[in-house]
Amino acid sequence: EVQLLESGGGLVQPGGSLRLSCAASGFTFRDYAMSWVRQAPGKGLEWVSGISADGASTYPAEYVRGRFTISRDNSKSTLYLQMNSLRAEDTAVYYCAKVAGTSCYREADYWGQGTLVTVSS
Amino acid sequence: EIVMTQSPATLSVSPGESATLSCRASQSVSSNLAWYQQKPGQVPRLLMYGASTRATGIPARFTGSGSGTEFTLTISGLQSEDFAVYYCQQYNNWPPGTFGQGTKVEIK
Repeated sequence: EVQLLESGGGLVQPGGSLRLSCAASGFTFRDYAMSWVRQAPGKGLEWVSGISADGASTYPAEYVRGRFTISRDNSKSTLYLQMNSLRAEDTAVYYCAKVAGTSCYREADYWGQGTLVTVSS
Repeated sequence: EIVMTQSPATLSVSPGESATLSCRASQSVSSNLAWYQQKPGQVPRLLMYGASTRATGIPARFTGSGSGTEFTLTISGLQSEDFAVYYCQQYNNWPPGTFGQGTKVEIK
């Protein structure tokens, strides 16, 4: 059974940093691309960033480029999102999602339960 | 950057009836389109990929169609568990995960 368990969310002040983690199990992690998708309270889904299976290619959305960095450790089956210079508009539930292929140009077939990030003073 | 537009924003349907949801891309995405269902308080679930292929465990009352810029998700014989928000997502063009704003299917 595929399981994705996010952690690292919480309350942070504007301008601060957080590092999210997503521990994966139930599939061969190194064979699949992964992504982060967020959902602000009461709003729709928004792509944040993606990373290829081998970690060589990343796909950050324009609004997080230069602030958020996606990475992965295939030896630990773990996905990360380093978030710097956080803004109030980054407040959202952040979902980790498994992509159905080696590159991010595929659908997200499994999702984690999400971790809430709140940016507020 | 590609823009995905869903319509209508809200669809009121009686149980047992059919619902037709639309998704339009600002440029061609070929058949590289997925649909997701999200119920209140739950995680999104993959319904459809490749525009018309049902994901594992998705019942046959869900049908996807379209290619290029125009796509449709049809739900036949709506059941109580189908009332939810539905999102389309393209994965053809950069950035590879652009979502539509969602269509809420509510009980009439």
